[in-house]
Amino acid sequence: DTAVSQTPKYLVTQMGNDKSIKCEQNLGHDTMYWYKQDSKKFLKIMFSYNNKELIINETVPNRFSPKSPDKAHLNLHINSLELGDSAVYFCASSQEFAGEQFFGPGTRLTVL
Amino acid sequence: GENVEQHPSTLSVQEGDSAVIKCTYSDSASNYFPWYKQELGKRPQLIIDIRSNVGEKKDQRIAVTLNKTAKHFSLHITETQPEDSAVYFCAASKRGNKLVFGAGTILRVKS
Repeated sequence: DTAVSQTPKYLVTQMGNDKSIKCEQNLGHDTMYWYKQDSKKFLKIMFSYNNKELIINETVPNRFSPKSPDKAHLNLHINSLELGDSAVYFCASSQEFAGEQFFGPGTRLTVL
Repeated sequence: GENVEQHPSTLSVQEGDSAVIKCTYSDSASNYFPWYKQELGKRPQLIIDIRSNVGEKKDQRIAVTLNKTAKHFSLHITETQPEDSAVYFCAASKRGNKLVFGAGTILRVKS
């Protein structure tokens, strides 16, 4: 009965590779988000979708592409991975936009 | 856009003492101010939030106060316990806009 789930939990890969992170929520929320948490713990929003529509797209390189096949899923695909992409990526959802965020367990991405 | 500053960046207290974390925000139209707790290796979780029509809110040992005139809000934890050790984030948003998080405060409760 996990509310927001992400896979994989850990991802170790080489520079230049392409990888995806999947997120699913079973809370019936309309809005989903991707956040990046760097080594200094700073939480920064990357994208937000509301009912499968992109509503926030922060200054994120084009190598990052979110995809929402339905309102319960928001996946993140990253092309040509760079060292600076190493971070923990959190998916989250909320009932109302910018309301209480329910975070997934995070995906620790390490780019070698 | 909104800018949220959080202080201090680290805070050490003795078990049983109180801890106070302060945040300031820049957009006077912001009206929602949540606080999240993130334990080591875990996800952030909401612990308390306040809306701009209220000046203070309490939930057992934690409380949040809001000063709209000065554009700052604070988290107060009384009778701290070792399990309160975590990173705490404040955030602010206004209707229709994203949540903007502060940089976080590492709280260490020494027993």
